[in-house]
Amino acid sequence: EDQVTQSPEALRLQEGESSSLNCSYTVSGLRGLFWYRQDPGKGPEFLFTLYSAGEEKEKERLKATLTKKESFLHITAPKPEDSATYLCAVHIAGFKTIFGAGTRLFVKA
Amino acid sequence: DAGVIQSPRHEVTEMGQEVTLRCKPISGHDYLFWYRQTMMRGLELLIYFNNNVPIDDSGMPEDRFSAKMPNASFSTLKIQPSEPRDSAVYFCASSRQKVEQYFGPGTRLTVT
Repeated sequence: EDQVTQSPEALRLQEGESSSLNCSYTVSGLRGLFWYRQDPGKGPEFLFTLYSAGEEKEKERLKATLTKKESFLHITAPKPEDSATYLCAVHIAGFKTIFGAGTRLFVKA
Repeated sequence: DAGVIQSPRHEVTEMGQEVTLRCKPISGHDYLFWYRQTMMRGLELLIYFNNNVPIDDSGMPEDRFSAKMPNASFSTLKIQPSEPRDSAVYFCASSRQKVEQYFGPGTRLTVT
């Protein structure tokens, strides 16, 4: 069964304390892996697309990496405004999209 | 660009009533997706369209749910009759070809 698992469920950091979020997947025919950010009461906002193992993408304090079985979202020196839920999603054959449950990130000043 | 537009933003209805959710995708996008988000099940894909044609509706939970896309700038998701377990936030998203999806603000549905 196709599955996407994100860990941890919640992460509390002090401002400036770097960390990583994990997205592991077991799917057949990965076509792409996506990271989204979701703020309370809003729709998910696209961050990154990764297509092949070894690929990396960066945006401000965020860097996403991909291996054959998992992806990491690294957050360097986070700020309180980085607090949000981060969602991982995989596109598989037939353009079906499966989302993970998300990691809720809290950054305290 | 105004982004994906959804209406209404909030809907409260009684069990058994018909509910219609509306979506206007980003101009030029050829894929449209309907999702449902709950605390228990997270974000689930219900159905998606390509060039106004439904491609995969395997995520639609029951026959009570139906979706249409009469033209490139409008789609509806209808629930008839509605039940309390349908309470959730429903998102519409659009994309250009097979790349990242852009989500609307969602419709929070409460069925009492």
